[in-house]
Amino acid sequence: QVQLVQSGAEVKKPGASVKVSCKASGYTFTSYYMHWVRQAPGQGLEWMGIINPSGGSTSYAQKFQGRVTMTRDTSTSTVYMELSSLRSEDTAVYYCARDFVLVAAAGVYYYYGMDVWGQGTTVTVSS
Amino acid sequence: SYELTQPPSVSVSPGQTARITCSGDALPKQYAYWYQQKPGQAPVLVIYKDSERPSGIPERFSGSSSGTTVTLTISGVQAEDEADYYCQSADSSGTYRGVFGGGTKLTVL
Repeated sequence: QVQLVQSGAEVKKPGASVKVSCKASGYTFTSYYMHWVRQAPGQGLEWMGIINPSGGSTSYAQKFQGRVTMTRDTSTSTVYMELSSLRSEDTAVYYCARDFVLVAAAGVYYYYGMDVWGQGTTVTVSS
Repeated sequence: SYELTQPPSVSVSPGQTARITCSGDALPKQYAYWYQQKPGQAPVLVIYKDSERPSGIPERFSGSSSGTTVTLTISGVQAEDEADYYCQSADSSGTYRGVFGGGTKLTVL
């Protein structure tokens, strides 16, 4: 079955970096883009960025530009999200979620929504 | 930065119709998506491309769009529909940058 399995919980000190993995199975890895979304305790969802596993291209939310890096390994069907210079406000559950994107004529992109989500990875930033 | 605005809460009685709105300047140009999230669980996609329903989502969930506002409608609300609902879209800058609304807590009285 289609599933996204994320790496386990992390505890980091302020200023450190964290790298979360998301391993896909049950579908063609390069056929779906992958979003990263986070949710701080008691707060709403926050979009962080997206990666195209086929070519590796990325787009990040302006808030995280310079601090986030999304990569992929097609040999293991895994995407990674690395967040650096961690601060307490980065304490959150981090999710990966796949999205089917159709590239139509004239370079118009059609997104079909985040239809499969990982189980979430809790990242705690504390001194 | 681009924002989507949702009401913080909506309350309805079982069997009634719940409507949750989401407003944003780019919504006439960008599709909207709706996600349901129950406590301790990952979100679930309930509507995509403004009004399409994924397989497995009950027919009582529907979506519509008018100008800068999109609406999630749940007809014949059931107790199990109590959850947080988030709209999601993208800005119109040309490079995809997603954004979520602040979320709406649906309470079934």
